[in-house]
Amino acid sequence: ILNVEQSPQSLHVQEGDSTNFTCSFPSSNFYALHWYRWETAKSPEALFVMTLNGDEKKKGRISATLNTKEGYSYLYIKGSQPEDSATYLCAEPGGGADGLTFGKGTHLIIQP
Amino acid sequence: GAGVSQSPRYKVAKRGQDVALRCDPISGHVSLFWYQQALGQGPEFLTYFQNEAQLDKSGLPSDRFFAERPEGSVSTLKIQRTQQEDSAVYLCASSLNWDQPQHFGDGTRLSIL
Repeated sequence: ILNVEQSPQSLHVQEGDSTNFTCSFPSSNFYALHWYRWETAKSPEALFVMTLNGDEKKKGRISATLNTKEGYSYLYIKGSQPEDSATYLCAEPGGGADGLTFGKGTHLIIQP
Repeated sequence: GAGVSQSPRYKVAKRGQDVALRCDPISGHVSLFWYQQALGQGPEFLTYFQNEAQLDKSGLPSDRFFAERPEGSVSTLKIQRTQQEDSAVYLCASSLNWDQPQHFGDGTRLSIL
């Protein structure tokens, strides 16, 4: 059974500030790490799939890094905007099942 | 649009009733997944199809849960004799293959009274 953990559980950030949060996962038998953004009343949206140690991926103001040796990934948001308010989920395939094992998510609220 | 479509968006049923939830994946996507998301939790894997074959149903919580994808496209998740603990959001996702990014539907919010 995989144990994917995210912190913090929730985060309030002032508009314009940058922020980051963490996903930790077992470092053994690593295959890939997925990041999703889930806005209220919408479907989860894929942000990144990361596979290589040291990977860094960027999509607009959002970027992510991956450390497979120590089992963590950081998601960074630069210059937060109200539309960044969402729950950010990380997930890893495996854990005895063919689907993704998700963390509980980080609920991000951007305050104007 | 060309995204994953789920119906109904909301379903209210009385305890003991059977329900059926539908998922219409993105055309051409081989892989289809069902997840259950309880309040305050991340989505939890239920079952996985590759085309019409159900390759993994290890996440189905009981034998009251049944899923099918008979023609390798639309999938139905059926819950028999619903219980209050079945109340959750049920998400369907599809992808080109099992290790590719998954595209999610809006989910069905199921409430059992």
